Amino acid sequence: ETGVTQTPRHLVMGMTNKKSLKCEQHLGHNAMYWYKQSAKKPLELMFVYNFKEQTENNSVPSRFSPECPNSSHLFLHLHTLQPEDSALYLCASSWNRGKDEQFFGPGTRLTVL
Amino acid sequence: QKEVEQNSGPLSVPEGAIASLNCTYSDRGSQSFFWYRQYSGKSPELIMFIYSNGDKEDGRFTAQLNKASQYVSLLIRDSQPSDSATYLCAVFSGAGSYQLTFGKGTKLSVIP
Repeated sequence: ETGVTQTPRHLVMGMTNKKSLKCEQHLGHNAMYWYKQSAKKPLELMFVYNFKEQTENNSVPSRFSPECPNSSHLFLHLHTLQPEDSALYLCASSWNRGKDEQFFGPGTRLTVL
Repeated sequence: QKEVEQNSGPLSVPEGAIASLNCTYSDRGSQSFFWYRQYSGKSPELIMFIYSNGDKEDGRFTAQLNKASQYVSLLIRDSQPSDSATYLCAVFSGAGSYQLTFGKGTKLSVIP
């Protein structure tokens, strides 16, 4: 595997389900990010991790819970989501947080019923 | 509130023409500027980045930055149908925030 990988690529879940999104980067980067992309809206940054420590949380509802066990892996745990949470969830990584170019994974297309 | 503005388009250009994509940003202290290309249903991929005022060329792509006017642009020469995508402008302002702020993107359509 090369670059940034994400699983699953598609996910359909009910509002009472619990699921997790996984991201893995094979680039040796130090920073990892979760973004949400909804139709007709800019990419929204959700969380930033630097050397596996969370450095930013952009007022994301607690039904989204990130986890970063090491610099290569990032998870997004989902529970009791709402239909408006349906979106493309993108993981990205970079050498240093913010100022360096970010490389994106293919994304997980999430549908909440 | 840091803002990045782009014309949503669609911008239609004939094959072989120059496509000009524009972006303005609100934070005068912004340091780094990125252009990403996103095909429908795919994730963004980096096209170019620029840090200093002036032009930066890479193949058919030229990024132009004017910090005084808070303006960054992307020119695509000899446009090809494969260039049809949404182009996202992203800005890093630094100053204690480690976030990239993205614009909504400009949809480019290159007509054969």
